[in-house]
Order: sequence, then C-alpha cells, then structure tokens
Amino acid sequence: DQQVKQNSPSLSVQEGRISILNCDYTNSMFDYFLWYKKYPAEGPTFLISISSIKDKNEDGRFTVFLNKSAKHLSLHIVPSQPGDSAVYFCAASARSNFGNEKLTFGTGTRLTIIP
Amino acid sequence: GAGVSQSPRYKVAKRGQDVALRCDPISGHVSLFWYQQALGQGPEFLTYFQNEAQLDKSGLPSDRFFAERPEGSVSTLKIQRTQQEDSAVYLCASSPLRADTQYFGPGTRLTVL
Repeated sequence: DQQVKQNSPSLSVQEGRISILNCDYTNSMFDYFLWYKKYPAEGPTFLISISSIKDKNEDGRFTVFLNKSAKHLSLHIVPSQPGDSAVYFCAASARSNFGNEKLTFGTGTRLTIIP
Repeated sequence: GAGVSQSPRYKVAKRGQDVALRCDPISGHVSLFWYQQALGQGPEFLTYFQNEAQLDKSGLPSDRFFAERPEGSVSTLKIQRTQQEDSAVYLCASSPLRADTQYFGPGTRLTVL
C-alpha cells in the first residue's frame, strides 16, 4: 500500500522554464511534507518542507504547494537550472506521533534539465 | 560541520553471511533513523532510535535484522544470514529531537550474491 505516490517517474524540462513535480498521499494522519533531492551515490538532501497548516511555502527558486482536500502537493522550480537535474523524492510524516517523525517516501521523479 | 557518515560505502556479501553497517550521526543529534532503499524505489523506514532507546522497529523486515545504538551516538545495523532480497542501499539519517528535517548519510550499498 503506497501511502505517498509520485506518478511521474521522469520529467524533462528546458533550462529556464518551470519544473513542476507532483505528489499524492493517502494517509490523513500526515501533517508535514518534505521534498528531498538526490544525486547518484549520495544520500537525499533536504530541499523544502511544508506544514499542513499552510498551503504554500517558498524558498528562493523553490515553492511547495499543498492542497489538503485533494491530498496533493507539488514542487515548483523556477527558473530551472542544469544543476537541478536529480531524483526528487516527496516524503511525509505524522508529527503528532511524538518522538518518531519517521518519513514515508514516494518512489521519486527523475528531473532532467535540458540546456 | 561534519555530516552523517556511513561505512562501508559498498559491501558485497555471499548469501548466508552476516554483515554490519555503521552510521555516525551528526554530533548531538538525538534522533537516528535507518531506511532501506531498493532499486527504483524510495527509502523505506526500518527503525528509529531516540538516544540509545530503540523506540520503533516496526519496519525491520525480519528477525535477521538487528540495530543498536548503545551509547546514543554511533549506530550499527546488523543483518544475519543475508539473502538476495536484502540487496539495497541502507540509509542512515539523524536529527535533533522533533526537528523539521532529517539529515541523511551517503548510504551503504549492499549486494548479496
């Protein structure tokens, strides 16, 4: 039972354009969502997060949108740069579960930025 | 400062061998997590430590998997009698208690022949 889903295994975007990565979840207990970026042979690196009490969080070129009623979140990268080429993982946790904010991950989306 | 480190980075084991994977968390981080990432999948939770206490081991796939963190810092994930299905990347992450994010190490790629 995949509680966090990333339905697009891959995405190609022209440099300078907007990249939009999508993520859906099924568990209503999730109240905190994160995006991680992963390069080959490295561990995931934290990118941006959002609490369920918000619907948008922005950090430089990265914006995460949360639609709780649809159980959907998306990551926008604008403008896209070649260094953004990586695998992006959506993750969720139930922070109300005190003392164990274990993360549930999606299967990832490989983003390729075309120069 | 130093991030999370893991050793070895690569491990090849024959089926039936025991292996031990080490994680050095960021100094002072109370929480430590182990995840397993199979090829083409996202990381999946294995177990969680708060200091030396193992508070959740619900993700360990079988009793062949054992984790410890005896002094509340370094952690070891041990897999006994390895099977081919154990082949994966094993990721360790640490964080301050109830932090917003977890910091991951580079992982150990285990291949069981």
